[in-house]
Amino acid sequence: DAGVIQSPRHEVTEMGQEVTLRCKPISGHDYLFWYRQTMMRGLELLIYFNNNVPIDDSGMPEDRFSAKMPNASFSTLKIQPSEPRDSAVYFCASRNSAREDTQYFGPGTRLTVL
Amino acid sequence: DAKTTQPTSMDCAEGRAANLPCNHSTISGNEYVYWYRQIHSQGPQYIIHGLKNNETNEMASLIITEDRKSSTLILPHATLRDTAVYYCIVRVLYNNNDMRFGAGTRLTVKP
Repeated sequence: DAGVIQSPRHEVTEMGQEVTLRCKPISGHDYLFWYRQTMMRGLELLIYFNNNVPIDDSGMPEDRFSAKMPNASFSTLKIQPSEPRDSAVYFCASRNSAREDTQYFGPGTRLTVL
Repeated sequence: DAKTTQPTSMDCAEGRAANLPCNHSTISGNEYVYWYRQIHSQGPQYIIHGLKNNETNEMASLIITEDRKSSTLILPHATLRDTAVYYCIVRVLYNNNDMRFGAGTRLTVKP
């Protein structure tokens, strides 16, 4: 299995621009998670989906952030408009609830907002 | 949920056992101890988890004290590739909202 795939791996953008991060979970996994990691706050859960349905988005910092999962193999995290304080590494993770309670993380997207 | 306390950093000689401690004195009866690690520039990687019995897999061993207030992750023969930040997490099984990664322990394996 290829593991969780994220794209792009690096993104540099200017303040005010729209940013879209993409994630392909491991095939067969029914949970998908979006995390953000910064030096100041560590690794934080933003939102997670179960069977493509958002279950808890209480970690989403503000309305500028939105996430979708149109099908079982694809999810996006969008920031519009982006701000410098959004600069972080964003991780996607997935899990197969029928098998185990282990989350498998992708390689992350390093976002820099200038 | 219970919080964990880990040393900020540790060193280990290559080939020797690395013993990483974690204190979780307020752990509840239904909370498990999980260990993940994060190698530089990569996503966190699951290592092992347990409730009260000691556990072992191909990566590591987990020793949980009888009172469950602390645990130790053991990497039996550390290699340079084990250099990473190790996170001890206490959570209820299948509680998706509770993957609280603290600061972890930065383990440096030295040749």
